[in-house]
Amino acid sequence: GESVGLHLPTLSVQEGDNSIINCAYSNSASDYFIWYKQESGKGPQFIIDIRSNMDKRQGQRVTVLLNKTVKHLSLQIAATQPGDSAVYFCAEASGYSTLTFGKGTMLLVSP
Amino acid sequence: NAGVTQTPKFQVLKTGQSMTLQCAQDMNHNSMYWYRQDPGMGLRLIYYSASEGTTDKGEVPNGYNVSRLNKREFSLRLESAAPSQTSVYFCASSEDFGGSGDTQYFGPGTRLTVL
Repeated sequence: GESVGLHLPTLSVQEGDNSIINCAYSNSASDYFIWYKQESGKGPQFIIDIRSNMDKRQGQRVTVLLNKTVKHLSLQIAATQPGDSAVYFCAEASGYSTLTFGKGTMLLVSP
Repeated sequence: NAGVTQTPKFQVLKTGQSMTLQCAQDMNHNSMYWYRQDPGMGLRLIYYSASEGTTDKGEVPNGYNVSRLNKREFSLRLESAAPSQTSVYFCASSEDFGGSGDTQYFGPGTRLTVL
């Protein structure tokens, strides 16, 4: 696959652990946030989103937390599985601008 | 629903050659985007089309042109390819531009090598 993950921060976990991936965003005017997953050789895949009027949103095995005070976003993955190994990146948007993407974190899950 | 499709999947060009990358979406989305992704650089926006009939430059437009052919299709053209354009190119679409309508869905990518 491509070296999309070259030089990215890496989080290594054991199968079954909970994973937390963090993202700092820059624009205080951003009001919409998304987490994407990108597996090797594939396009980014939407995981979960959150609007700025919320501080937590849950999906299937994933939770996104938003702290607007410190401009911080996190993605929690419960019971991490080998199939969760990928690059994860956050994106932010405001009402007048399109998504701005972070550079990503590589998640490596060991059996 | 196929979502976002891109052709070709792989391409090798010689310096100076031209080519067009094709993208189509079947989600009736208004907005479409072209990105390039290089190792360690993340996704960088080349051009976007906020709605049918409009196109605008993104972060790295030099060396590229685009055409929003209709609501479904958005093509990216390299007129005279350079080795610096070796990259993976992704097309994406979203219901609307900006804010919560801007959930972008991506195609599988085109891996381009310029020799």
